[in-house]
Parts: sequence; structure tokens; C-alpha cells
Amino acid sequence: DTEVTQTPKHLVMGMTNKKSLKCEQHMGHRAMYWYKQKAKKPPELMFVYSYEKLSINESVPSRFSPECPNSSLLNLHLHALQPEDSALYLCASSWIYVPGQGAGEQYFGPGTRLTVT
Amino acid sequence: QKEVEQNSGPLSVPEGAIASLNCTYSDRGSQSFFWYRQYSGKSPELIMSIYSNGDKEDGRFTAQLNKASQYVSLLIRDSQPSDSATYLCAVKGGGGADGLTFGKGTHLIIQP
Repeated sequence: DTEVTQTPKHLVMGMTNKKSLKCEQHMGHRAMYWYKQKAKKPPELMFVYSYEKLSINESVPSRFSPECPNSSLLNLHLHALQPEDSALYLCASSWIYVPGQGAGEQYFGPGTRLTVT
Repeated sequence: QKEVEQNSGPLSVPEGAIASLNCTYSDRGSQSFFWYRQYSGKSPELIMSIYSNGDKEDGRFTAQLNKASQYVSLLIRDSQPSDSATYLCAVKGGGGADGLTFGKGTHLIIQP
């Protein structure tokens, strides 16, 4: 089973709101990722968690705050967003290392389509 | 800075023909290479991964890797209209948790 789930599917929020995006996987993966994808653009990496610790933050504004409560869950807390933050937010997960392969394959969830008004 | 280049297309291929998608990358230290398919409004779906030079076949899909030329390709045999999508080439460095660097994607259209 290579399923990553994300909630909600759609979210509309005002610039003063606080909301959270949730991601869950039950594949035993120990690396989880947040990506942002604007229309007609490729996904861009935001955060990487490895063994529940933040290992890479690609200089993302502080209005985005990630959290990894346990090895299966990943949250993205949103506060004071701007209209230009409207995008598809994708969660992915992978094994850290696979013998003979190196980096594990990343599997994406269906995404949360966020609109900031 | 890692760069991944793809021809954005659209690439139009008749049904039943072979679709050939190409990708080049700038970081010689890259170790892992992936092809994702993305339908409009949906999330990327992993269709192929390749880690060593040569060809890797999975059903109608063949991935090819040439690290010396820093080149990755994807062949789709017996193309079907359902193959019409954007194909994203993604590259990753060595083992460990690390993000993917994506190309801009090639928009493939299979003409019935």
C-alpha cells in the first residue's frame, strides 16, 4: 500500500486566519516532505523531516510552520498567509535509504488546494 | 544550484506510437532519478525510478539513464490517450532524506 492521505482536500482562508494541513502515511516511511505547487509549475520543496526531526527548511517564510508529531503524521500550520500563497500543497513520504537504490522513492498524497482571500 | 531541464512541449504523439521524453540534469552528484506523471488538477504519481546506467523496463514504460551525459529519458510504448498528462523528471542527490528537484515537466498529448 503506497497511500499518503491529506486533509482537507480544499481550504479557503482569509489572510488573518490560522489553519492547519494534515498528512498521514502508514507505510513505515521515516522521511516526510512538504512541497508547494503553483499552477503550471513543478513542485517546490518546502520542508523535509527525517526521523521526526526537521532536516531541511528551504528558506520558507515563517508564516508556514511544520510539525511532525510522530512518524506517521505531518502537519503544516498556516498563519497570516498572503494571496500569493494560494497553491496546491503536497505531502510526500519515503524510506530514508534502500540498499541497492540509495534514496527511497517518494510517494505523494492527493494534495490540499489552498486559496487565500 | 541543481537544475533539471525538460522540453515543456506540448509533445503530440499518435495513439499506438512510442512517446519519447527527455531530461538533463546539472548536478553530477545526483544518484536517484524518477519520472512522475501528473494529470491536470491531481498530484504527481510515481511511474518509474532508475538508479544505475542503462535501461529499466516496467510494462509499457522504459527509463534510460546515462550519468556520463547527465541524461535521463522515458519511453512509453503503445501510447494510449490515457497517457496524456504532464511528465515530471525528478532528481535527487545521495541516499538519505533529501528533497526532489523537478524539471518543469513535458506536456504529452496522445492523439486518438
